[in-house]
Amino acid sequence: SYVLTQPPSVSVAPGQTARITCGGNNIGSKSVHWYQQKPGQAPVLVVYDDSDRPSGIPERFSGSNSGNTATLTISRVEAGDEADYYCQVWDSSSDHSYVFGTGTKVTVL
Amino acid sequence: QMQLVQSGPEVKKPGTSVKVSCKASGFTFTSSAMQWVRQARGQRLEWIGWIVVGSGNTNYAQKFQERVTITRDMSTSTAYMELSSLRSEDTAVYYCAATPVVPAAISVWGQGTLVTVSS
Repeated sequence: SYVLTQPPSVSVAPGQTARITCGGNNIGSKSVHWYQQKPGQAPVLVVYDDSDRPSGIPERFSGSNSGNTATLTISRVEAGDEADYYCQVWDSSSDHSYVFGTGTKVTVL
Repeated sequence: QMQLVQSGPEVKKPGTSVKVSCKASGFTFTSSAMQWVRQARGQRLEWIGWIVVGSGNTNYAQKFQERVTITRDMSTSTAYMELSSLRSEDTAVYYCAATPVVPAAISVWGQGTLVTVSS
């Protein structure tokens, strides 16, 4: 089955840029979605189809995807961005299933 | 606005079944697909399966193929997820979610239902 690997944690100071990677075999050929999840809450979609933002999501959230790595970038990080972030793809090759990444905890220093 | 409201927490014995409901409002239920995702404490999100509401077609993750049934009631705009042969590892928060097509990014989520499996 398809595997998505994320760093367990990323720490960033307020106002700086956080980059969260999502590694997968030839992930550049797939559409990647990103979710933000705060403690005790349901996930919130922040980026879909590699780099598009749903309405209501700040422009500070952006995404890219190429080769074996997709990246979620959070610019001008704020305290409210502290959360877990998950990448997701649709694996149409073998299992025909959604696959979620291992998750990254973003800590704002 | 689009909303999904799930049933309340459940405590089940190992070997039994649980059925979680998810009532939709604020969008055209019959033109959507209803997804189910679970998350054990401190773990990643895990996709369980979906049902295309209009056709009733389902697609389940291989891991749950033998134990899960997802259904819908179009008259009440409600989706259901039933998981059988429960074991302690099934203790998790179960989320329903809605997408306009499949596959697609998930932009509408329910509030989650905690299912605890304990003897």
